[in-house]
Amino acid sequence: DSGVTQTPKHLITATGQRVTLRCSPRSGDLSVYWYQQSLDQGLQFLIQYYNGEERAKGNILERFSAQQFPDLHSELNLSSLELGDSALYFCASSPVAGGYEQYFGPGTRLTVT
Amino acid sequence: GESVGLHLPTLSVQEGDNSIINCAYSNSASDYFIWYKQESGKGPQFIIDIRSNMDKRQGQRVTVLLNKTVKHLSLQIAATQPGDSAVYFCAENPLYNFNKFYFGSGTKLNVKP
Repeated sequence: DSGVTQTPKHLITATGQRVTLRCSPRSGDLSVYWYQQSLDQGLQFLIQYYNGEERAKGNILERFSAQQFPDLHSELNLSSLELGDSALYFCASSPVAGGYEQYFGPGTRLTVT
Repeated sequence: GESVGLHLPTLSVQEGDNSIINCAYSNSASDYFIWYKQESGKGPQFIIDIRSNMDKRQGQRVTVLLNKTVKHLSLQIAATQPGDSAVYFCAENPLYNFNKFYFGSGTKLNVKP
């Protein structure tokens, strides 16, 4: 158990809908990362927050957005969902902004039908 | 974008043998590298890391080697066990953008009993 929690574990929704994925980092970790993992693919970095501020963006679509709240939990919002958005979404946390190992949550499996 | 790739998508080894998983990276400015293990249905789990000022680092049954000259990273697993069966990812954290981690596509390790 990494100490990072993600909810929900599974999510099934229809195209065009909007969903919100939630992540609670390890106690004391200030940095949160979001990744997308499609079937049999590597991890694609989406976005990173540090202590409430966005620090880095990766290949995140404009339909996706995220935020980190004062209590350091983070939410990833996915809108106008398409079939291709079906994937595992992982959250990871770290004590600092970079140069340190990340602790991954169990992931949210999103299925868009 | 960054390129962190793996030479072999699948590696099969006999239980008890040593495993070597390779990874090439493209950015010579990268400062920090991590190996992760991902078991089916779970989030990536930290195995070992190494910084660019080191050539080798050892953990429990694992060794990471860094060859900066050819921009190559390897993970050696001694006395491979069935529990080592998983997908292994290398990740690169560039010095100029330490908020981002770039992951390779992964190598699937199959341990035959």
